Amino acid sequence: DQQVKQNSPSLSVQEGRISILNCDYTNSMFDYFLWYKKYPAEGPTFLISISSIKDKNEDGRFTVFLNKSAKHLSLHIVPSQPGDSAVYFCAASARGGADGLTFGKGTHLIIQP
Amino acid sequence: GAGVSQSPSNKVTEKGKDVELRCDPISGHTALYWYRQSLGQGLEFLIYFQGNSAPDKSGLPSDRFSAERTGGSVSTLTIQRTQQEDSAVYLCASSLAFGSYNEQFFGPGTRLTVL
Repeated sequence: DQQVKQNSPSLSVQEGRISILNCDYTNSMFDYFLWYKKYPAEGPTFLISISSIKDKNEDGRFTVFLNKSAKHLSLHIVPSQPGDSAVYFCAASARGGADGLTFGKGTHLIIQP
Repeated sequence: GAGVSQSPSNKVTEKGKDVELRCDPISGHTALYWYRQSLGQGLEFLIYFQGNSAPDKSGLPSDRFSAERTGGSVSTLTIQRTQQEDSAVYLCASSLAFGSYNEQFFGPGTRLTVL
């Protein structure tokens, strides 16, 4: 049973526009959420995170929104750039990280010129 | 600076053979994690180390899997009597300290193919 779900396997966005990647979770014990970015043949790299006590965290072009009541989070990238083309993984942790990170299956973001 | 390194980058083996995967974490990182990514799936957490100790091994898929870490640095993941369902990319990550708020830095992974 997938505890972290990314229902869009791929997303195509025009350069300069906003990219919105979505993630849903089922485990109410999750208290920390992260987004990772992955290029082919490389390991995932950390992008941005948010604690469950917040509903928004911003870092440059990247903003993560958390809606705890809906068990939903989203990553906004504005403006989208060609280098943003990658697979984006949503991840969550509980119990201070004792169970590691629980990842979604990823969304392949394609930025079109 | 050096990131997390893993070896080999690719491993092809025959069903029933044992394999050993190696992870070199970032120097000074006390926490180390193993994940695997099967085709079309997200990353699946396997085990973590705090120093040389692995407090919880319940994430390992079966008793054919074992992991150790010595000297608070290098870790090896061993899979005995490999099966075709073990085929996956095995990823290692390390963080400065254990805990949710400590960023995990990932290595490039070892792609294991069991024929």
